Order: sequence, then C-alpha cells, then structure tokens
Amino acid sequence: AQKVTQAQTEISVVEKEDVTLDCVYETRDTTYYLFWYKQPPSGELVFLIRRNSFDEQNEISGRYSWNFQKSTSSFNFTITASQVVDSAVYFCALSESGAGSYQLTFGKGTKLSVIP
Amino acid sequence: DTGVSQDPRHKITKRGQNVTFRCDPISEHNRLYWYRQTLGQGPEFLTYFQNEAQLEKSRLLSDRFSAERPKGSFSTLEIQRTEQGDSAMYLCASAGTQGTDTQYFGPGTRLTVL
Repeated sequence: AQKVTQAQTEISVVEKEDVTLDCVYETRDTTYYLFWYKQPPSGELVFLIRRNSFDEQNEISGRYSWNFQKSTSSFNFTITASQVVDSAVYFCALSESGAGSYQLTFGKGTKLSVIP
Repeated sequence: DTGVSQDPRHKITKRGQNVTFRCDPISEHNRLYWYRQTLGQGPEFLTYFQNEAQLEKSRLLSDRFSAERPKGSFSTLEIQRTEQGDSAMYLCASAGTQGTDTQYFGPGTRLTVL
C-alpha cells in the first residue's frame, strides 16, 4: 500500500533563509505522481508543484524547487528566501496509476513558521 | 475560472443530527473527490466520482455517510446520526478528465459535533 512520511513535524526559520521540507514515499507502482500542497491557517489546500515519476529533471519555479530521488524514494521541497507569507502547513502527497481513482495519499504535514 | 466552492464553511451540530455538505467543482472538471482531515493529520480519501458515477469508496466511509453527484456537476455529502468522532474538516477536490490531472481543493467545511 502507498504511504507518505514527512518526518519533520515543525520547522522554524528566520525570514530570507532557505528551507527544505522532507518527504519519503512508498509505492509498488512504477508510474506515480507526487505533489506538494500548502495549507495556510484559512484551511484551503493550495496546489504548489507536481512531479511525475517518469520525468527526467528536477525543476525550479520561482522560489520553489524540488529534488526527486527515485533511488531513495524521496521528494524534497525547498523554498528559497523564505517570507512570512510562507508560514503554513505543507503536505506531500502521492497518487498511483494503479488506483483507478488516482486518489491522493497525504503525509501528516510539516508546519513551517517563518519569523520576521 | 472560479475554483472549487464548498458550503457551508462551518457547521456546528448536536450528536445524532444529520448534516449535509455541498461541493461545486471547477466547471469543466468531471472528477470529484471527498477527503476528511482531522486535527494534526493529512487529508484522508473518502470517495470519488467520475461524472455522476461513484466509482470508489474508502472503508472510512461508514454506512452513516452517503455521497451523491446527481447530474455530474455539484456533489453532496451527508452524514446521518452524527457522532463526536465525525468532527473534522471535509474537503472537496476536483480534477479534469484525465486521471493524472492535478486535484484542486475547495476551502473545506469544518464540522463540529457537540
């Protein structure tokens, strides 16, 4: 069965520091999809990035970058030059091609606090 | 293009009452999902619709829970005889026609059962 582990429960950084959020996943599928969502205090889950298991390169989108390592089943997410508005709970999620619904399996989340 | 909307945003009810939540997906999306999130946890999958057909249900969805999507547009989630353990955030997400399409979430309905 699929599983997502976010070992970091809470992280605090000072504004403008870089921060990396860790995610480790388990799946038996060879084709799968990984996501990061942000949940601010308002409660709405906001989609940030996705990575398909068959993509070749890691990418950067603005202040966000991600590092996908198939060999270690990790999908880490980095925010560069953090801002107070980045304070939120961040969830890593996995979707498998073998599940017809492509339902998301989430980790327990990492609460990020950016201190001004 | 408007996002996913959910109504109500908050619901307080007494144990034993029935409650119903509504989700309006993004207009061109035919895939709709319900998730439940308890305090300090990630969302957990409840059920999935493709158009009007309910194709998958989690074992978390007890017989007190029922979901519908009558015309393949909006969806409702009803909880009968609510229990204190039902207190949670209920999240709806929609996605396009492809299973691999990204799911976009609504603001959620926070249920408190007294």
